[in-house]
Amino acid sequence: DADVTQTPRNRITKTGKRIMLECSQTKGHDRMYWYRQDPGLGLRLIYYSFDVKDINKGEISDGYSVSRQAQAKFSLSLESAIPNQTALYFCATSDPRGTGNTIYFGEGSWLTVV
Amino acid sequence: DQQVKQNSPSLSVQEGRISILNCDYTNSMFDYFLWYKKYPAEGPTFLISISSIKDKNEDGRFTVFLNKSAKHLSLHIVPSQPGDSAVYFCAASFSGSARQLTFGSGTQLTVLP
Repeated sequence: DADVTQTPRNRITKTGKRIMLECSQTKGHDRMYWYRQDPGLGLRLIYYSFDVKDINKGEISDGYSVSRQAQAKFSLSLESAIPNQTALYFCATSDPRGTGNTIYFGEGSWLTVV
Repeated sequence: DQQVKQNSPSLSVQEGRISILNCDYTNSMFDYFLWYKKYPAEGPTFLISISSIKDKNEDGRFTVFLNKSAKHLSLHIVPSQPGDSAVYFCAASFSGSARQLTFGSGTQLTVLP
């Protein structure tokens, strides 16, 4: 079983709809992240959370919100999806006690907004 | 403004030869560098890292070199194998940013049999 699990893995939604991507982890890490990947732009940070009571905006948070329901769960919401939010989304975790803060990624969620 | 740059979107190498993937950075505060490998339909996986106190780190077929004065790092894969075909991302962090990783745009490596 994957240490970082994302659901759904693929989703097609319509413009204006609300969509939630869920992430759960069994690594016991305090830090969790949401990234999106776009061709030619690499991985960009949307939101991150250092613990259940800590939520921080990343590089591209506009149009997104997150919820840290528990240490192991971190969900990403698109309140009103738009086509340029079509991307591959990754949840990730890390343990800051590790050297350099190595991040561990989930398998990704493909989101298409039509 | 991209702080971590991978200027080669793609690289093709013959099996058995050396693959060299390059990465440049602009923020002199970065003190820890990582390489991730990503296969299609999978999440990126950690490959190798290097601290700024070193100029080389080796792990099997993979070696990362760091040139701090040039703000440049490279990943060498010797010998290259078809299974190495993937997208490679470099990333950097520093303690002042709570160790947030800044990623490059990735390089697609294709190892030809």
